[in-house]
Amino acid sequence: ETGVTQSPTHLIKTRGQQVTLRCSSQSGHNTVSWYQQALGQGPQFIFQYYREEENGRGNFPPRFSGLQFPNYSSELNVNALELDDSALYLCASSLYDLGNYGYTFGSGTRLTVV
Amino acid sequence: DQQVKQNSPSLSVQEGRISILNCDYTNSMFDYFLWYKKYPAEGPTFLISISSIKDKNEDGRFTVFLNKSAKHLSLHIVPSQPGDSAVYFCAARTFGNEKLTFGTGTRLTIIP
Repeated sequence: ETGVTQSPTHLIKTRGQQVTLRCSSQSGHNTVSWYQQALGQGPQFIFQYYREEENGRGNFPPRFSGLQFPNYSSELNVNALELDDSALYLCASSLYDLGNYGYTFGSGTRLTVV
Repeated sequence: DQQVKQNSPSLSVQEGRISILNCDYTNSMFDYFLWYKKYPAEGPTFLISISSIKDKNEDGRFTVFLNKSAKHLSLHIVPSQPGDSAVYFCAARTFGNEKLTFGTGTRLTIIP
């Protein structure tokens, strides 16, 4: 059973640029959630994708967008990068079932905006 | 609005003793609580959880206690081991909502 894999592990971008982060979900999981973890903070929910559609969103502006593909992998896109977007971005996969609260997190992508 | 709070940023405990990590929440709609453990350069890993219909859940060395009236939960680790040194996050969710709301974490250091 493979876990959640994220790429790249580290990334440096310039303010105003766009970035795409990728996530492969754990085998058997059909739901992907994205979280942003700023330094010294807990992870903050960005959004979730289920059946290739957004299924819940946190307090993040529209320049944060995502995709889920038929194989359940996912992308997080951030446009017009700001310095405050510097953070660890975590992807978590799960099986969409109200009785199953099992999330598996990836190791994250460390994004630095300069 | 920090709905899940971990007021102790750090905690040091002697090996073999009990570690107690605390978490408070403000949203009475939360019905499921989880603890995650995070090592540097790794993602959070699930440790233990508890439903709001229970007040205690135990798994080996780990026990979570929930006091709904006080909106407080705690994680007990006994005996503490050096490998338990990590950042611990408390998280909560409401029924039917996949979103997890995390606290800011407590860094636990086990002193050999």
